[in-house]
Amino acid sequence: DVKVTQSSRYLVKRTGEKVFLECVQDMDHENMFWYRQDPGLGLRLIYFSYDVKMKEKGDIPEGYSVSREKKERFSLILESASTNQTSMYLCASSPAGSGTDTQYFGPGTRLTVL
Amino acid sequence: GQNIDQPTEMTATEGAIVQINCTYQTSGFNGLFWYQQHAGEAPTFLSYNVLDGLEEKGRFSSFLSRSKGYSYLLLKELQMKDSASYLCAVSPGGSQGNLIFGKGTKLSVKP
Repeated sequence: DVKVTQSSRYLVKRTGEKVFLECVQDMDHENMFWYRQDPGLGLRLIYFSYDVKMKEKGDIPEGYSVSREKKERFSLILESASTNQTSMYLCASSPAGSGTDTQYFGPGTRLTVL
Repeated sequence: GQNIDQPTEMTATEGAIVQINCTYQTSGFNGLFWYQQHAGEAPTFLSYNVLDGLEEKGRFSSFLSRSKGYSYLLLKELQMKDSASYLCAVSPGGSQGNLIFGKGTKLSVKP
């Protein structure tokens, strides 16, 4: 079974803090993704990576950065957290391909920024 | 632009059949996915369509018409545990694996 894990289920941070969200997958997948999910807005792609040290901006990259130093790990960084970044953050992974491969999701991190 | 539309909410009765529609407009098409997401949990894969027609998997079936930019998810013999959000997602042309998601349809199954 594919397993995608995220470092925290719940996180509370203060405005201006630097926040790291970690995601690890154990299926040797090339592609990894970070989404945020908000009521009424659905899943929105923040960044994705199709190889180690490679990254591509998604639909809403502002205020975020990512790091992929190892194939199994993809980190999302909030350089200076703001209240509008309070959200559910979901990580996903998929094998390399032409977009026909299923994405597998982690359990999510519910981040609250006070 | 790229757009995926699906109803926001639906209600159905236990034991009944429900159809959740999804229409899409994307630049290119590599396939359409349906995911199920229970409240507070991660989305889980249900089905994938790339060719026109119906794909059946137990109580769940998914249909695709590429010429109409249309898909539906059919759930039969509804059970209370089917209460969840159902997400339609499209892999656009030139995709390196990224998907475009609809906002999801929240299905409530009543006794």
